[in-house]
This record gives sequence, C-alpha cells and structure tokens, in this order.
Amino acid sequence: NAGVTQTPKFRILKIGQSMTLQCTQDMNHNYMYWYRQDPGMGLKLIYYSVGAGITDKGEVPNGYNVSRSTTEDFPLRLELAAPSQTSVYFCASSYTEYGYTFGSGTRLTVV
Amino acid sequence: GQQVMQIPQYQHVQEGEDFTTYCNSSTTLSNIQWYKQRPGGHPVFLIQLVKSGEVKKQKRLTFQFGEAKKNSSLHITATQTTDVGTYFCAGPKAGTASKLTFGTGTRLQVTL
Repeated sequence: NAGVTQTPKFRILKIGQSMTLQCTQDMNHNYMYWYRQDPGMGLKLIYYSVGAGITDKGEVPNGYNVSRSTTEDFPLRLELAAPSQTSVYFCASSYTEYGYTFGSGTRLTVV
Repeated sequence: GQQVMQIPQYQHVQEGEDFTTYCNSSTTLSNIQWYKQRPGGHPVFLIQLVKSGEVKKQKRLTFQFGEAKKNSSLHITATQTTDVGTYFCAGPKAGTASKLTFGTGTRLQVTL
C-alpha cells in the first residue's frame, strides 16, 4: 500500500517555466489537498478537492492550477514559475476530516 | 480568516525533560488534530480530539482539547531524541469539516 505518492522529489525551474507536480493516492480517499511549506514555516493550503471533478481554492491559489479527473490523481500545475514559488509542496489526502496522509513532498527551487 | 497560533515557536530541552506546546485558534474548532514533522520529512498524523475537554494519551504524549474548543496542548513527558521535530496542531475551518488550517508549529530540539 503506497499511500500518497508525489513526483518529482526535487526540481529546479527557471523563471517563467512551467511544470506539473504529480500526486496520486491508492487509498480511495475522496478528499485531496495541496499545501506549500516555506522554510521554517507552517503549511498553507493552495487548492483542495472533495471528489473527482470538484476543486476549490485555498489560501494561496495565485499562480497555480489543479484538476481532478479521477479519484486517485490530483496534479498541481505551475504556469509561469516565479522565485516566490520556491517552496516544498505537499500533497495530502483524507477519507473525511479524520487525519490527513501526506506525501513525501516536492522540493522546488525557482531561479 | 481563521488563525491558529502555537507557542513556543522553538524549544530546546535536555533528554528526560518535559515539553509542552500550546495551540490557540481564533475560531471555535469542530476538532483538533496533531501532526509531527521530522526534519526534512513530511507531516505525520498523530491524533484527533473531538470533544470539549477531551484528554488522550499515547505513551509519553498527552493531548488536551480545551473546554471552549479553541485551544489545545500537547505534553511530552521525559523527552527522548526521537521526539525531535516540529509539532503542528490543525483544525477545520469554520463551515467545512475537511479543510484544515495548520498552526504555526513548535520546533522541538532534544539533546543528550
């Protein structure tokens, strides 16, 4: 049972480039989330989804997009990378409100 | 919007000493959850408290949920080096049960 899998683990982007952070879960969870964590800081919600075909903005959605075509997958898209998007990105999933399961994260640097 | 603050931001203890982190929300929470994040790792779910005044124990860890459901605490008895990490509380935003607002975190350092 893999849980929540994120790829890639590390990435360096140049300003203006685009990329997709992949997230997949095999626990049949309806709820999925994307958080970012800046160095030494807490977690801020970017986007979340309560089920396939349904997504909504979190606290810091600007510069990001998501889609949820299946229960398993919840990719996060950065269209025009900026240095302010340098962060660690965590994907998480949950059955309801009880206990999130986090992926191991993607460390992104924008130069 | 909802804010969840934790104090202290950082604590350094000697192994064997006790440790407590406090969590305060600007709004009433339907439940409070605690997570631990090891250095370089990802948050791992520890426990959920639902009832007003609830107390739960996990070995050396004791969790409390305040009577007003706006505050919580985590107490570790006789810390060990394996307790090193950042402890986050998190609670659902008002109006949604599934979307958590995470606290600012308390980083615990334990030395021999």
